[in-house]
Amino acid sequence: KAGVTQTPRYLIKTRGQQVTLSCSPISGHRSVSWYQQTPGQGLQFLFEYFSETQRNKGNFPGRFSGRQFSNSRSEMNVSTLELGDSALYLCASSDPGVVDTQYFGPGTRLTVL
Amino acid sequence: GIQVEQSPPDLILQEGANSTLRCNFSDSVNNLQWFHQNPWGQLINLFYIPSGTKQNGRLSATTVATERYSLLYISSSQTTDSGVYFCAVGGWNDYKLSFGAGTTVTVRA
Repeated sequence: KAGVTQTPRYLIKTRGQQVTLSCSPISGHRSVSWYQQTPGQGLQFLFEYFSETQRNKGNFPGRFSGRQFSNSRSEMNVSTLELGDSALYLCASSDPGVVDTQYFGPGTRLTVL
Repeated sequence: GIQVEQSPPDLILQEGANSTLRCNFSDSVNNLQWFHQNPWGQLINLFYIPSGTKQNGRLSATTVATERYSLLYISSSQTTDSGVYFCAVGGWNDYKLSFGAGTTVTVRA
């Protein structure tokens, strides 16, 4: 099976812009989670979706949003970008009905100038 | 949320040495995973081990859930083992992983 894929891999934006990141889970996986990794805060949970429903959300401002489509692909959006949003954004998928192992994609590295 | 502490924060090894990384967590969990982050940032699964012991080649892991800790053993370390190792845990029905700060391992030839 193909692994988790994320697009784009690299992105440069300026403050005030918005950005959309995409994640395609492993075939058959219905749960998709998003994480932000920064040098200062480490790896932090953003949100998790299962069958198009958000089941949990991390402690991030409302500028961070996400959604999941019927084919389990997921997108996250960050509006009104700030310098502090520069980070590696990682997506993970799992099949909770089998074993809850999270498999991570390669990440999208976002730089906000 | 569940607090996760990893120790040591940094580890420098000579090639061929053995090492133990520790992960303590603050509450009962139903998910515990060990990852190795490669230089490009991808998290590579090492073990899914909410309890018990597993081995995969030169790596092995043990989780003692009742005492809320997990250990990752690296034997006969190689330079390719260098990188950051993360422990991540998930509680019952919270649908997320909480990560430790990681252990940075440097293996010198």
